[in-house]
Amino acid sequence: DAGITQSPRHKVTETGTPVTLRCHQTENHRYMYWYRQDPGHGLRLIHYSYGVKDTDKGEVSDGYSVSRSKTEDFLLTLESATSSQTSVYFCAISESMGSEKLFFGSGTQLSVL
Amino acid sequence: SQQGEEDPQALSIQEGENATMNCSYKTSINNLQWYRQNSGRGLVHLILIRSNEREKHSGRLRVTLDTSKKSSSLLITASRAADTASYFCATDARTGANNLFFGTGTRLTVIP
Repeated sequence: DAGITQSPRHKVTETGTPVTLRCHQTENHRYMYWYRQDPGHGLRLIHYSYGVKDTDKGEVSDGYSVSRSKTEDFLLTLESATSSQTSVYFCAISESMGSEKLFFGSGTQLSVL
Repeated sequence: SQQGEEDPQALSIQEGENATMNCSYKTSINNLQWYRQNSGRGLVHLILIRSNEREKHSGRLRVTLDTSKKSSSLLITASRAADTASYFCATDARTGANNLFFGTGTRLTVIP
């Protein structure tokens, strides 16, 4: 999947616990994105980054934070997981700003019990 | 919402037949893209068509765009079992948004 690694691939956690998902790219692309995919909603943007330490909110950012300390790594943190955050999370990268072609990772299946 | 809507939600055809999926969206766009997602995997970019283009081809794929109707179609000709996947359209928003808006997808099943 275009030099994008997401970890973990699967995670089960309990309500109220913090969770961090990691996205690592080897393509040296400037832009990185976190999406969630839910039945009936398609993919929705959570946060995106346009450079090291440069991030911004997406459509569904409440309850999530991100960090990007290196070009290759983009972390998504759920400070206190809720059952509504049970979803499949995808990282994506692009060479140019978000209206151009995206490359996706294989996803992380997160279950919050 | 800018989100695109694909139609039909599910489509089942025999191998060798053509498959047509449609996408409608709500606001003006710079471009529209189609992606494919195999079960348990990430999305893979198929084709991008810009707002000033009406038709684009890539191998067995043909995409049309009608900006007056705010709609697009994806045609897969001579389908194969390996084309079984979900297909999503994605649109940008001409007015300021920095991301793509994805539809809910069409689930295509190609029966060998």
